[in-house]
Amino acid sequence: GAGVSQSPSNKVTEKGKDVELRCDPISGHTALYWYRQSLGQGLEFLIYFQGNSAPDKSGLPSDRFSAERTGGSVSTLTIQRTQQEDSAVYLCASSLAAKGRGVTFGSGTRLTVV
Amino acid sequence: AQKVTQAQTEISVVEKEDVTLDCVYETRDTTYYLFWYKQPPSGELVFLIRRNSFDEQNEISGRYSWNFQKSTSSFNFTITASQVVDSAVYFCAPLKGQNFVFGPGTRLSVLP
Repeated sequence: GAGVSQSPSNKVTEKGKDVELRCDPISGHTALYWYRQSLGQGLEFLIYFQGNSAPDKSGLPSDRFSAERTGGSVSTLTIQRTQQEDSAVYLCASSLAAKGRGVTFGSGTRLTVV
Repeated sequence: AQKVTQAQTEISVVEKEDVTLDCVYETRDTTYYLFWYKQPPSGELVFLIRRNSFDEQNEISGRYSWNFQKSTSSFNFTITASQVVDSAVYFCAPLKGQNFVFGPGTRLSVLP
């Protein structure tokens, strides 16, 4: 597609449930990023995929968070046993080049844990 | 350690005024990249500029201009003749590895 597509745009879930957030990057983009934006923590890096390399998971806040990128394209961020502090907007971005060039962000998924 | 400071939490100006958003990036790295992103109410982060630490020339793009001074670790952003559509949150974001380290952001409100 023309841009980075994220689904759902909004998700309300009960505490303790698992959720999956989806990101469709721009076609051909080899790099994919997940960030989280919350009131208390601002914008935080979560995980970075580049081609077939092992992902950089250094930003994942706990082992309840995981992400996959299948076939070098679509990515799914999974949060297990959600907690209220997981409530945030989860932003996905993709790029073709390195060093931050051409990074395009999606509109995000707003997750609310009740 | 790296630290990104955007001291202005919120700024309000009247349309057509000029406004400067401050960013200070403290790092021991000698080479680095700096970015500015805009986040309008729609939520998407919109790329504005990418600079590397070797290039201290000021840059102008339409009503936008950037002043990067390595000696003071500042990378300030000026909007000339502001418009209501400039209302957004603006983030200064150095690159660490391949990932952005976003500052806390400055919320700019341009009033008609």
